[in-house]
Amino acid sequence: DAMVIQNPRYQVTQFGKPVTLSCSQTLNHNVMYWYQQKSSQAPKLLFHYYDKDFNNEADTPDNFQSRRPNTSFCFLDIRSPGLGDAAMYLCATSRDLYSAYEQYFGPGTRLTVT
Amino acid sequence: DAKTTQPNSMESNEEEPVHLPCNHSTISGTDYIHWYRQLPSQGPEYVIHGLTSNVNNRMASLAIAEDRKSSTLILHRATLRDAAVYYCILLSQGGSEKLVFGKGTKLTVNP
Repeated sequence: DAMVIQNPRYQVTQFGKPVTLSCSQTLNHNVMYWYQQKSSQAPKLLFHYYDKDFNNEADTPDNFQSRRPNTSFCFLDIRSPGLGDAAMYLCATSRDLYSAYEQYFGPGTRLTVT
Repeated sequence: DAKTTQPNSMESNEEEPVHLPCNHSTISGTDYIHWYRQLPSQGPEYVIHGLTSNVNNRMASLAIAEDRKSSTLILHRATLRDAAVYYCILLSQGGSEKLVFGKGTKLTVNP
């Protein structure tokens, strides 16, 4: 049974055309995360929500934004995708922020920018 | 920031045990040792974590050195499905730190 669901699995967008990636969870976890993983690199955290509180990583570009309308859903918005934004985008959840709690990852959405 | 060092790659044969090392010489007394793995074309997956004592679960065992400056993830009987990149990550106990992935160890399992 899927616990963290990401749609679509593959997304193609044009340079500069806004795109939204979605994530949903059935775990009722408080925290939802978005990571970016470029080819042959490790995942890199972009931001996270603790309940409704949004926390942006210091080096996340302004081009990336997120929304969490309710506990189950979280969206990643890329306002003006550039070629350098082509990557796998991973959503994850955890029960709480503290280090004892493991994170559950979705399968990712692979974004191509043409 | 406490950091970890892992070999870039390792190879194993199917049905044999695999010992994946991780060095964390600057670990503090409150740092948990977490392991995640990422199979090809999938999101990372939690494997195991521990603080001081050795830990076992259905996926693996975690052996932690007495001085906590190193640890070893043990897969008791490797299968082809265990071929993945394995990440060793330190997180402070009680802190709100986030996962920071290093380069990890790419494990190849030969049939």
